[in-house]
Amino acid sequence: GAVVSQHPSRVICKSGTSVKIECRSLDFQATTMFWYRQFPKQSLMLMATSNEGSKATYEQGVEKDKFLINHASLTLSTLTVTSAHPEDSSFYICSARDSGLPRETQYFGPGTRLLVL
Amino acid sequence: DAKTTQPPSMDCAEGRAANLPCNHSTISGNEYVYWYRQIHSQGPQYIIHGLKNNETNEMASLIITEDRKSSTLILPHATLRDTAVYYCIVRVAEWNTGNQFYFGTGTSLTVIP
Repeated sequence: GAVVSQHPSRVICKSGTSVKIECRSLDFQATTMFWYRQFPKQSLMLMATSNEGSKATYEQGVEKDKFLINHASLTLSTLTVTSAHPEDSSFYICSARDSGLPRETQYFGPGTRLLVL
Repeated sequence: DAKTTQPPSMDCAEGRAANLPCNHSTISGNEYVYWYRQIHSQGPQYIIHGLKNNETNEMASLIITEDRKSSTLILPHATLRDTAVYYCIVRVAEWNTGNQFYFGTGTSLTVIP
């Protein structure tokens, strides 16, 4: 099946610093990738839709200047959490849309756990 | 916003079939029903999806009612490794749309030895 990877798997940073998370589709091309955030004991919340070669589309309430998304190639999207604060601590998950399959679907990465001290 | 409702939790005996219901009474004609599951601290795993016909794959079966307002995911012989949160999602699947997924609260399935 289609594989999506994320790096790093977990990161601890100091308040005020920026953190970059990478999402890669390993065996397919993904024109669209998605970023989610999940707090403990809650469901996944869609943050933004990332389209290769164009600006990301953010969900209502998500600050685009704080969560910078770049989708420079068909296999890589990055999420940068700028000036991170403790409330940004969360589980960040990406997914990639495999439109090459006869019946397209999305495949999710393993997630990145961010802890801001 | 999520367009589905699911029971918050269910138990199932190991080896038995697990039947997970989902209500999607406002589903549109061009919206598919997708099922994913999430094992603790991992990314969601794709299970199955369908439009109006019943579907089966190596993991599960998906039964969609004739009016498409509800569906049931069936795990035929549940194992302990099937313990997870199961999400039912409806989504438009067209080439020119964003195809975003909006997750509801899901059903926490516990398989009991």
